[in-house]
Amino acid sequence: GQQVMQIPQYQHVQEGEDFTTYCNSSTTLSNIQWYKQRPGGHPVFLIQLVKSGEVKKQKRLTFQFGEAKKNSSLHITATQTTDVGTYFCAGKWGGSNYKLTFGKGTLLTVNP
Amino acid sequence: SAVISQKPSRDICQRGTSLTIQCQVDSQVTMMFWYRQQPGQSLTLIATANQGSEATYESGFVIDKFPISRPNLTFSTLTVSNMSPEDSSIYLCSVGVFADSNQPQHFGDGTRLSIL
Repeated sequence: GQQVMQIPQYQHVQEGEDFTTYCNSSTTLSNIQWYKQRPGGHPVFLIQLVKSGEVKKQKRLTFQFGEAKKNSSLHITATQTTDVGTYFCAGKWGGSNYKLTFGKGTLLTVNP
Repeated sequence: SAVISQKPSRDICQRGTSLTIQCQVDSQVTMMFWYRQQPGQSLTLIATANQGSEATYESGFVIDKFPISRPNLTFSTLTVSNMSPEDSSIYLCSVGVFADSNQPQHFGDGTRLSIL
């Protein structure tokens, strides 16, 4: 079946350092969504990318969708302790299929 | 966004028993989904709950093990049947408000299930 590969699995940073997680699909995606799950919480929607080469920003978070719509990244500038959690990408392929396929997630821990 | 209430929030069950999880939304939604998330793992879609008809199950999940109901646009249940320790997991309900495949999903708080 179709999969979204996400790396790294874990990332530990010092507060103030940057963080990036990457997602990759072997086939072209129709869109990709990003979610954040705090420890003990449920996934919360962050953003959706639809267009080739799309870049969206939310404060310190920058989301990119590759030109071929096969890869995506989430970059956090100057991490804070509130950024701790697992970041998931979730991909969707063509057609009217509503199904999201989640990557394995990247667990971010931040040392204050 | 929609407010989603899931019950129970957690339970400890004996093997061989069944548990029904409820998902209630404060407004009508088009799409409702059930996911499983094993400890420290990603989310795996179990099925899409269809109003008034049988749920659409993903590969590896069957109706006899995970019967799903969706009697209206605000409510769904997932039953985990004949439980074994391998069913210990977090079960999450999510909703999509609109009939648009390009839309976010909103998740309930989940049900943390442990099987002894």
